[in-house]
Amino acid sequence: DAGVIQSPRHEVTEMGQEVTLRCKPISGHNSLFWYRQTMMRGLELLIYFNNNVPIDDSGMPEDRFSAKMPNASFSTLKIQPSEPRDSAVYFCASRSRQETQYFGPGTRLLVL
Amino acid sequence: GENVEQHPSTLSVQEGDSAVIKCTYSDSASNYFPWYKQELGKGPQLIIDIRSNVGEKKDQRIAVTLNKTAKHFSLHITETQPEDSAVYFCAAVNYGGSQGNLIFGKGTKLSVKP
Repeated sequence: DAGVIQSPRHEVTEMGQEVTLRCKPISGHNSLFWYRQTMMRGLELLIYFNNNVPIDDSGMPEDRFSAKMPNASFSTLKIQPSEPRDSAVYFCASRSRQETQYFGPGTRLLVL
Repeated sequence: GENVEQHPSTLSVQEGDSAVIKCTYSDSASNYFPWYKQELGKGPQLIIDIRSNVGEKKDQRIAVTLNKTAKHFSLHITETQPEDSAVYFCAAVNYGGSQGNLIFGKGTKLSVKP
């Protein structure tokens, strides 16, 4: 299996622009997670889905952030408009029921 | 909800020595405890995990112990090598509870000096 796939791997954008991060979970996994990692705040859970349904989005910073999972093999995390404080590494992870959770390689986002 | 504390935040050892990282959790219903290793520029990778029905698990140079009574679990790395240098995260979750997401510790930066 190719593992969790994220794109793009790196993104540099200007403040105010829309940013869309993409994730393809491992085939057969029914839970998907979006995390943000910074030096200051560590690894933060933003939102997670079970069977394509958002279960807990309490970690989403504000209305500028939104996430969707239109089907079992694809999810997006969108930031509109982006701000410099959104600069971080964003990880997607997936899991099958009560089994091991696997992380993707991350997207490094820099908002200028 | 669950809270996971991890210590130390940084750890430096000589190559060949052992390293121990400790975590405590607050929710006695937690029943799955994974450990992740994150190398620079990469995503966290699972290195070992333990479930609440087991007290100890070992995989080559890595072992994890769980004390359910005290609500703490530890990662032990023996015969450390420079390639063990990374940030290590512990986590806990109650599989079967209303929230099925892992709660992570803040991480331990391990440096192994050759």
